[in-house]
This record gives sequence, C-alpha cells and structure tokens, in this order.
Amino acid sequence: RKEVEQDPGPFNVPEGATVAFNCTYSNSASQSFFWYRQDCRKEPKLLMSVYSSGNEDGRFTAQLNRASQYISLLIRDSKLSDSATYLCVVIPNDYKLSFGAGTTVTVRA
Amino acid sequence: EAGVAQSPRYKIIEKRQSVAFWCNPISGHATLYWYQQILGQGPKLLIQFQNNGVVDDSQLPKDRFSAERLKGVDSTLKIQPAKLEDSAVYLCASSFRASGANVLTFGAGSRLTVL
Repeated sequence: RKEVEQDPGPFNVPEGATVAFNCTYSNSASQSFFWYRQDCRKEPKLLMSVYSSGNEDGRFTAQLNRASQYISLLIRDSKLSDSATYLCVVIPNDYKLSFGAGTTVTVRA
Repeated sequence: EAGVAQSPRYKIIEKRQSVAFWCNPISGHATLYWYQQILGQGPKLLIQFQNNGVVDDSQLPKDRFSAERLKGVDSTLKIQPAKLEDSAVYLCASSFRASGANVLTFGAGSRLTVL
C-alpha cells in the first residue's frame, strides 16, 4: 500500500462549482499534513496546512479525519485560476515527507 | 527574500552521458532536499541534507546518482551514467529546519530529457 494515495482525477468543474477530494495515508503516526498546489510545468507551492480541527483559507477548506486516515480539500466558488494539480503531503513522526501523486482539477468557463 | 535557485532549467542528453544540477537554497535554510518528479507522479525524495550532512538518502540510486553540499549552502546533484528512466524534473527545495511541521520552498526545477 502506498504511503499517500490520491484520486488522480481529473475533476472537471464549471466556474462557481464546489469541488472536493481526499488524500488517504497509511501511517497512523503521521503528525503533519499539507496541501500543495502545482501549476502545469511549475514547482509545487504551499497552499495550506491542515490542522486537526480543520481550517479554512478563503474559498479553501481543509479537513483531517484521523480515524479514517485521510485529509480533504474543498474548493468553493471555483475560479479558472484554481485549475492545477493539488498534492497532498503527509509527514509521519520520522519527518520523512511523503507526497501524493496529485489530484488534477480543471475549472471550465 | 530570494527564492531557491536552480540551474540549468532544461537539459537534454543521451543515455550513458552525465549531467549535473545545481541548487542554491534560501539564505539561512539549513535543510535542503532534492526531489525527482516524473510526469504524472508526485515528487519523490532523493536526498535530504541538514547543513552539510546527509539526513536521508534511502531512495537515491547510489550506483548512478550522487549529491553533495560541501559548505552547507549550495548543492549539486549528479547523474552518471544517465538512463532513459531518469527523464524527469529535478526539484530542489529548502526549509528553515528539518522538523515535521516545516514548510518546503521549491525551486523552479531542472527538466532532464534523456534520449
């Protein structure tokens, strides 16, 4: 089983729609979780950290479900500029970051 | 602040040739990472340095890949000899420290094509 698994998508959504996707992780001792965004042919950039209580940053909401070992990202009111690949990052207690393969989101006009 | 600098941005070589990539992290960042990202996949850690010491190189193919960070600042990743499957983007990242909650800042990457 992979350490981090993501639905590759693509998720094709119209502007203004809500899109949500999950990332599952295998190591129950994982401590830190992040979502990174990667635009086509660009480097990954931090989108947001994921806190135990869940957190929101504008139109983006991240949740952590420790019992089922997954994190989620929800994007409300999608914009064309949200089209990207979203990478989930999980850090277990040995601090070895694991990246998922990414979920591709395409927002259409 | 200046970001993570990488060069060259693009490199095309034939199999069995050698190639080297250079990375200069953000000033003051003690931890430096080299990742390999094959098209359609997430970044895979090749090697992690803390200052000039190696923290993790468990996924580095040591028969052909080598990396160094001699003065604890910039770093070089070398591939010799290259194989077709080495075609990928090589991403360098740095962070202030190696703790689990730390955030990585990536460079723009070096795209390698092996023919």
